[in-house]
Amino acid sequence: GENVGLHLPTLSVQEGDNSIINCAYSNSASDYFIWYKQESGKGPQFIIDIRSNMDKRQGQRVTVLLNKTVKHLSLQIAATQPGDSAVYFCADLFSGGYNKLIFGAGTRLAVHP
Amino acid sequence: DAGVTQSPTHLIKTRGQQVTLRCSPKSGHDTVSWYQQALGQGPQFIFQYYEEEERQRGNFPDRFSGHQFPNYSSELNVNALLLGDSALYLCASSLGGTVHEQYFGPGTRLTVT
Repeated sequence: GENVGLHLPTLSVQEGDNSIINCAYSNSASDYFIWYKQESGKGPQFIIDIRSNMDKRQGQRVTVLLNKTVKHLSLQIAATQPGDSAVYFCADLFSGGYNKLIFGAGTRLAVHP
Repeated sequence: DAGVTQSPTHLIKTRGQQVTLRCSPKSGHDTVSWYQQALGQGPQFIFQYYEEEERQRGNFPDRFSGHQFPNYSSELNVNALLLGDSALYLCASSLGGTVHEQYFGPGTRLTVT
């Protein structure tokens, strides 16, 4: 069914380390995946997206990897900073069937100095 | 360039009452989607409005209804409030009936007592 979930509810890292946040999805027909960052008291903020015909996409300090074989998505944050502390959500979209995003439960990233 | 705005910021209602939440989309956007985010969970899609019509709907009862005005702003109405309706209600705007590159507002925190 339509379900996007996350492996780890909380991730603690040291400032300067790299962070990896994982996500599993179940809809093999999904053709678009997005990572959002949500800081306390704010709405989700777009980070990076990837289409299903790609396996990697890089942004500024962030990289998203997509493995369609095992329906797995990951967000890598390089040189994690205190400002990266937030809850991260993955979401998927099947543009051919329904035009809505399905969000996972989220992973909290805590960055320690 | 104004982003997505929502009002009110916080709201406290009693069980059985009705509530109306408001959203103004980002300048230039014509599509509004509403999400419910319970504490510690990812946003859940309620419905989407485009061209003043409800285009998509998630798994929410008819107590949840909405409206889009000619200026693209939108309202979310919830009747017969239940304790379980307590959540952060997020509005997101986009262009052309799609959900690609959605911009989220800060949300309205609804507490039902």
